[in-house]
Amino acid sequence: KNQVEQSPQSLIILEGKNCTLQCNYTVSPFSNLRWYKQDTGRGPVSLTIMTFSENTKSNGRYTATLDADTKQSSLHITASQLSDSASYICVVSPMFSGGYNKLIFGAGTRLAVHP
Amino acid sequence: KAGVTQTPRYLIKTRGQQVTLSCSPISGHRSVSWYQQTPGQGLQFLFEYFSETQRNKGNFPGRFSGRQFSNSRSEMNVSTLELGDSALYLCASSLVTSGTTTDTQYFGPGTRLTVL
Repeated sequence: KNQVEQSPQSLIILEGKNCTLQCNYTVSPFSNLRWYKQDTGRGPVSLTIMTFSENTKSNGRYTATLDADTKQSSLHITASQLSDSASYICVVSPMFSGGYNKLIFGAGTRLAVHP
Repeated sequence: KAGVTQTPRYLIKTRGQQVTLSCSPISGHRSVSWYQQTPGQGLQFLFEYFSETQRNKGNFPGRFSGRQFSNSRSEMNVSTLELGDSALYLCASSLVTSGTTTDTQYFGPGTRLTVL
């Protein structure tokens, strides 16, 4: 069973609309949870990083929330732009991995923003 | 500041061959991690190097190996290539590594390996 599951698998929205992507995880305890954006053919770019004690973190039009009780995180994109078309990946770092780079990745949500 | 660079960007090999991929981290970064990305499996952690020492290793066979040099540049080697090794191989660098840091990782553009 995947320790980090994302939904939906893919999403199409119109430019200017808002959307919310979901991430459910079973990794416990965990050190931090990250959201990455990956454009086609490029490496992922970090959007937000939250420790287990944080509830929300914003980066421009991107806002991530974390509910450690329900083990859920969401990424909310406001006023979407065509350049938001990409894959969004949720990543969890286990607490005692012996080195934070042993990250556990979700499969990602593929977002397409149409004009 | 220059980003993470990976060479080559594209590579075509045949089964049974071996391949070496290179990664140059951001200047000053001492931690380099390697990941394999395939459509079916997503991103999977291969290994992490810090100060020329392998600190973590994912669940990949021994055909996958790596090393890090004194200037923090890293190489990844795959021997006896199989069709299933076709993937995007990503390298990421960060300043330090520890169990609880939220140090940001910066990814390179990746090397697209195709095994025929």
